[in-house]
Amino acid sequence: SAVISQKPSRDICQRGTSLTIQCQVDSQVTMMFWYRQQPGQSLTLIATANQGSEATYESGFVIDKFPISRPNLTFSTLTVSNMSPEDSSIYLCSVEVGGDVHEQYFGPGTRLTVT
Amino acid sequence: GQNIDQPTEMTATEGAIVQINCTYQTSGFNGLFWYQQHAGEAPTFLSYNVLDGLEEKGRFSSFLSRSKGYSYLLLKELQMKDSASYLCAVVDSNYQLIWGAGTKLIIKP
Repeated sequence: SAVISQKPSRDICQRGTSLTIQCQVDSQVTMMFWYRQQPGQSLTLIATANQGSEATYESGFVIDKFPISRPNLTFSTLTVSNMSPEDSSIYLCSVEVGGDVHEQYFGPGTRLTVT
Repeated sequence: GQNIDQPTEMTATEGAIVQINCTYQTSGFNGLFWYQQHAGEAPTFLSYNVLDGLEEKGRFSSFLSRSKGYSYLLLKELQMKDSASYLCAVVDSNYQLIWGAGTKLIIKP
């Protein structure tokens, strides 16, 4: 298993600004993921962040809007740039712990409100 | 395209049994997960099926039929704390998780 923390837990931001969300894992993991979850909706994968390579973005998400860093095996950041109210959501990071099951463990999430 | 279907919402009574169904159409199959998510919290792992059949874990069981593209999560002896959303997710041929929209389970006394 893995224990994941995220900072900040919540924030209220003005449109046009940027927010960087941090994700810290208590063990070294290769694969980290960033998700967005709109209220009452399921998870939408933004990107996969593997240490030592560029993040891989899903359709509809671009690096200019959601730049990701992955400087080591226990840490990652997601920046939400030039925010608009449509970016209001919960942002979750998760990690995949090694093995055949590909189970993901999730951080507690960052609740972002853009005004 | 890839698709996972779950009922949007279900209601059940405390102490009863409820079955949450999940059907999927994905490019390949490398396993199916069920996650529980309480309101305002992160999803937590419940079960994993990769072979056909029933996996039992306490009050929760999960069933898989790969030929039918079908799974269900069975919750017995329902408790109020089981009120949550239940997410079905399939691992596709690229080992990516494809998520269903989730089923909101409401437990009434």
